[in-house]
Amino acid sequence: GQSLEQPSEVTAVEGAIVQINCTYQTSGFYGLSWYQQHDGGAPTFLSYNALDGLEETGRFSSFLSRSDSYGYLLLQELQMKDSASYFCAVDTGRRALTFGSGTRLQVQP
Amino acid sequence: DGGITQSPKYLFRKEGQNVTLSCEQNLNHDAMYWYRQDPGQGLRLIYYSQIVNDFQKGDIAEGYSVSREKKESFPLTVTSAQKNPTAFYLCASGTGTVFGYTFGSGTRLTVV
Repeated sequence: GQSLEQPSEVTAVEGAIVQINCTYQTSGFYGLSWYQQHDGGAPTFLSYNALDGLEETGRFSSFLSRSDSYGYLLLQELQMKDSASYFCAVDTGRRALTFGSGTRLQVQP
Repeated sequence: DGGITQSPKYLFRKEGQNVTLSCEQNLNHDAMYWYRQDPGQGLRLIYYSQIVNDFQKGDIAEGYSVSREKKESFPLTVTSAQKNPTAFYLCASGTGTVFGYTFGSGTRLTVV
């Protein structure tokens, strides 16, 4: 079966840096994606990593290590609006994403 | 503006009734997806379609049915066979995982 593991909750203060980890065990792997979802809202796409290494997009960066079946999302200069749930998702080759259970990030003043 | 529209936003149904959730997109995306989200949980894949007139079961397809007669539309029917239908249903479309999915704003279904 497929499994993706993320911490259920993370708390950080405004201006800080936070890392949300994701480990996966899947029968196939083509890439790791990250999505953000505010309470009651729709998930929005943040990043996609197919190859090992770090991808940077503004304050957000995403990292992948295929050999370790591990990735993380790094959020810098945290803002209150970053309080949301963050989901990692894997493309296993069936051409539809399998999502993790999500990490709830709470940013405190 | 291009986007993906789900309707209605809230839906109440009596137990034993079938209900159809609408999903329409004008992004010209070939692929469309239905996910279910329970409180505090991740998204679980119900059905997906890569092309018109073709669709595949996801991880929790039992008790659900779909059709894909038009590129723009991918309705989901929650049947009476679905044992626990109360949930938040999200529809998405995309051109592939590399560029990410665009999600609709969701339909919150409550069965009483």
